[in-house]
Amino acid sequence: DIRMTQSPSSLSASVGDRVTITCRASQSLNNYLNWYQQKPGKAPKLLIFAVSNLPSGVPSRFSGSGSGTDFTLTIDSLQPEDIATYYCQQSYTTPKTFGQGTRLEIK
Amino acid sequence: QVQLEESGPGLVKPSETLSLTCTVSGGSISSYYWSWIRQLPGERLEWIGYVFRSANTDYNPSLKSRVTMSLDASKNQLSLNLTSVTAADTAIYYCAKLHRSASLNWFDPWGQGTLVTVS
Repeated sequence: DIRMTQSPSSLSASVGDRVTITCRASQSLNNYLNWYQQKPGKAPKLLIFAVSNLPSGVPSRFSGSGSGTDFTLTIDSLQPEDIATYYCQQSYTTPKTFGQGTRLEIK
Repeated sequence: QVQLEESGPGLVKPSETLSLTCTVSGGSISSYYWSWIRQLPGERLEWIGYVFRSANTDYNPSLKSRVTMSLDASKNQLSLNLTSVTAADTAIYYCAKLHRSASLNWFDPWGQGTLVTVS
């Protein structure tokens, strides 16, 4: 199985800050990397697909980048509604696997 | 747009079979790939498997011996059966559409999830 490792596991930042979450895969994924946002008490929601593509309705302050084994989720100008846990997920091969999650809190 | 809703018993006894249903609206179940994903205590997400037109399935090897997924086109529902459950199967179970674009794929949308406790 491909192991997905996120860092940090938790993060506290202020409104307006730029936030970066990293995800490292145990083998190269090409661009088969997705990000999900899970707000408290809710189901995960697709945030970014194929490394850097935003689904319709996702604010442009979210962006993704990376290649190979190292990927990044960036939130420009953090907003209060961004409080959530963020997960990366590889879709390169089965079994599909997720990172352990990064819990984002507002200072 | 596609919407999904899971249903099933919230409590299952050890050694019994966990059976869940996911009702799909806004799209034909025969047209897409569908997955089950669970969220274990501690928030770890685990992919259980996918199904396409019932005959095409792929399961997580860690669960493969105990899992069956199927589709009921007449009801536009997908189902999950997990046999011989233990406390380690306690989790929130989600169904999700496995969106495929060429070889790229991602889960979107997800159902709201249903908590299953094994006790």
